[in-house]
Amino acid sequence: IAGITQAPTSQILAAGRRMTLRCTQDMRHNAMYWYRQDLGLGLRLIHYSNTAGTTGKGEVPDGYSVSRANTDDFPLTLASAVPSQTSVYFCASSDGWYNEQFFGPGTRLTVL
Amino acid sequence: TQLLEQSPQFLSIQEGENLTVYCNSSSVFSSLQWYRQEPGEGPVLLVTVVTGGEVKKLKRLTFQFGDARKDSSLHITAAQPGDTGLYLCAGAGDAGNMLTFGGGTRLMVKP
Repeated sequence: IAGITQAPTSQILAAGRRMTLRCTQDMRHNAMYWYRQDLGLGLRLIHYSNTAGTTGKGEVPDGYSVSRANTDDFPLTLASAVPSQTSVYFCASSDGWYNEQFFGPGTRLTVL
Repeated sequence: TQLLEQSPQFLSIQEGENLTVYCNSSSVFSSLQWYRQEPGEGPVLLVTVVTGGEVKKLKRLTFQFGDARKDSSLHITAAQPGDTGLYLCAGAGDAGNMLTFGGGTRLMVKP
């Protein structure tokens, strides 16, 4: 199935726990992104990767880390979750002219 | 930091009405994209506008990029319940491949 998959679909997590959100794409896109979406704030970029082996910080990187060991996978890790990280997380990829992005279905994360 | 402001934030209209959504910035963008997002799903690209003054039509949707490439509008003619969703504009700067998203316009079209 072409596109982007994310796992899990949703998760309830206790504060202080470590959590990794998974993202895999099969379109061989070079660039991948992690966003969080909160009501009224649109999509805010957390981290990005222009190509395998490189990563960069977005608008709201604190409390999150990423890795890009290969082209297809771009996991997002919360080292010690806090309630303010409750959000819907979207992974995206792009490799097209004018930076068109393709989004996964999202992970709904609740930190209690 | 480039910012994009969308207005209105919420819009509830009757089927058959026309509407316009605005996306404004003080910054210049190399291109601007419009996405539509349905509940429980990720955003899906509708259109990309690149040239200042450009107008693109997608069935009943008309997209315009401002002459100075700082603003854009989305006009829907004869809205239908299937148009209900969250509409997001996103601007691409000259450096890198990152997008700046607006806060979104949540549209509800009642039958």
